[in-house]
Amino acid sequence: GAGVSQSPSNKVTEKGKDVELRCDPISGHTALYWYRQSLGQGLEFLIYFQGNSAPDKSGLPSDRFSAERTGGSVSTLTIQRTQQEDSAVYLCASKTGLLNTEAFFGQGTRLTVV
Amino acid sequence: GESVGLHLPTLSVQEGDNSIINCAYSNSASDYFIWYKQESGKGPQFIIDIRSNMDKRQGQRVTVLLNKTVKHLSLQIAATQPGDSAVYFCAEITGGGNKLTFGTGTQLKVEL
Repeated sequence: GAGVSQSPSNKVTEKGKDVELRCDPISGHTALYWYRQSLGQGLEFLIYFQGNSAPDKSGLPSDRFSAERTGGSVSTLTIQRTQQEDSAVYLCASKTGLLNTEAFFGQGTRLTVV
Repeated sequence: GESVGLHLPTLSVQEGDNSIINCAYSNSASDYFIWYKQESGKGPQFIIDIRSNMDKRQGQRVTVLLNKTVKHLSLQIAATQPGDSAVYFCAEITGGGNKLTFGTGTQLKVEL
């Protein structure tokens, strides 16, 4: 596709339910990132993938959060037993490879836990 | 721990003036420093980068300065325009070129 695509764009879920957020990176981009952004705040690093491997999972807030990437392409971020503090915009980005500094971002998924 | 942070949360400038956005960092092992711009409702967009062994890099209307002695990064925007109104994030590349982490952000407001 022309850019990074995230779905859904908006998600409202009840506390305690599981949610899956999807990211389709730009074709050929080997690095893929997930960030969380609360209203008026910065980008909190969650996890990144190089290919299908996740060298750094240090940003995942708890064991309720997990992510996977298959075929070096699509990635899903799963949040189990959602809590109200999980409400935020979840942003995905991709870039071509090592030492390339230009990451391309999707529009994000706005998650609201009620 | 490792962190990239900003001095000022909000910066207001008059249209046509120059803007300077500052950033402090603590990780001396960063490979690159980058500035991103985020407009309301959109994902961040790349502006300019600087390799950690450089002091200055210029782009179109933007200049990034890196002072490794005091671990300080700045973005200068010449002749600021209304379209420059956005949140600006400094970011760093570490981990051999793949881990990309962001600072807190500065809201730039351009007054007419």
